[in-house]
Amino acid sequence: DAGVIQSPRHEVTEMGQEVTLRCKPISGHNSLFWYRQTMMRGLELLIYFNNNVPIDDSGMPEDRFSAKMPNASFSTLKIQPSEPRDSAVYFCASSDQGYGYTFGSGTRLTVV
Amino acid sequence: KQEVTQIPAALSVPEGENLVLNCSFTDSAIYNLQWFRQDPGKGLTSLLLIQSSQREQTSGRLNASLDKSSGRSTLYIAASQPGDSATYLCAAILMTQGGSEKLVFGKGMKLTVNP
Repeated sequence: DAGVIQSPRHEVTEMGQEVTLRCKPISGHNSLFWYRQTMMRGLELLIYFNNNVPIDDSGMPEDRFSAKMPNASFSTLKIQPSEPRDSAVYFCASSDQGYGYTFGSGTRLTVV
Repeated sequence: KQEVTQIPAALSVPEGENLVLNCSFTDSAIYNLQWFRQDPGKGLTSLLLIQSSQREQTSGRLNASLDKSSGRSTLYIAASQPGDSATYLCAAILMTQGGSEKLVFGKGMKLTVNP
C-alpha cells in the first residue's frame, strides 16, 4: 500500500483565496483524521470521520474551515477565505480501529 | 479531558547512550498508546503501538512500555545513534462514547544524538 497520500505537498496562496487540501486514506481503514501542526500549538485535531461520517468537528477553528469525505477513498479540507494565521502543516491520518494510525506527509500551507 | 505530557521537551546526548523517553497521561481509561517519530519538515512515522491488552512492544533497538494504572508510558532507545535524532511524540488513543477512536498527542520531545 502507498500509505496515506496528501496533495498538494506545498501550497502558497494569497489571503482571501480558497484553499483545498486533499487526502487519500489507506484502503480498508475506516477512520480518517485531519490535524494541523504549528510550532506554537503542536498537533491539533480538526475533525475526524468514521465510515465516511463526520464524528467530531469541534476542533475546526472557524466556519471558514470545512471538510468532506464523499467516499471511503477521498477526503478534502477546505479553507475559504484563507487568512495568514491559517499557515501551518496540515496532516491527514487514517486508521483501522485498534491497529494504530498512519499519517500522510502533510501539506505545508502558507497564506501571504 | 485527557492530557498527554512529555518531559523534557528536548534532550541532547552523546552517541551510544541508552535513552528513556517519558510520556504521562491524565486519564487511565486509554484504549491504546502509540509512539511516533517526526523528522524536520516531514510527517509522522509510527514506531510502536501498544494495544490495550499489552504492556510493552519491541522493535529493534526500541522498546515501549505502558502502565495504565500509573498513567505512564516509556520509550527506551538502546545504543542511540545520530540517525535517531528527531522529535518523538506520544499519543494516547481514546475510545469515544460513540465507539470510534480519538488520538491525543503530547507536544513531543526533540532528541539530538551527537556523534
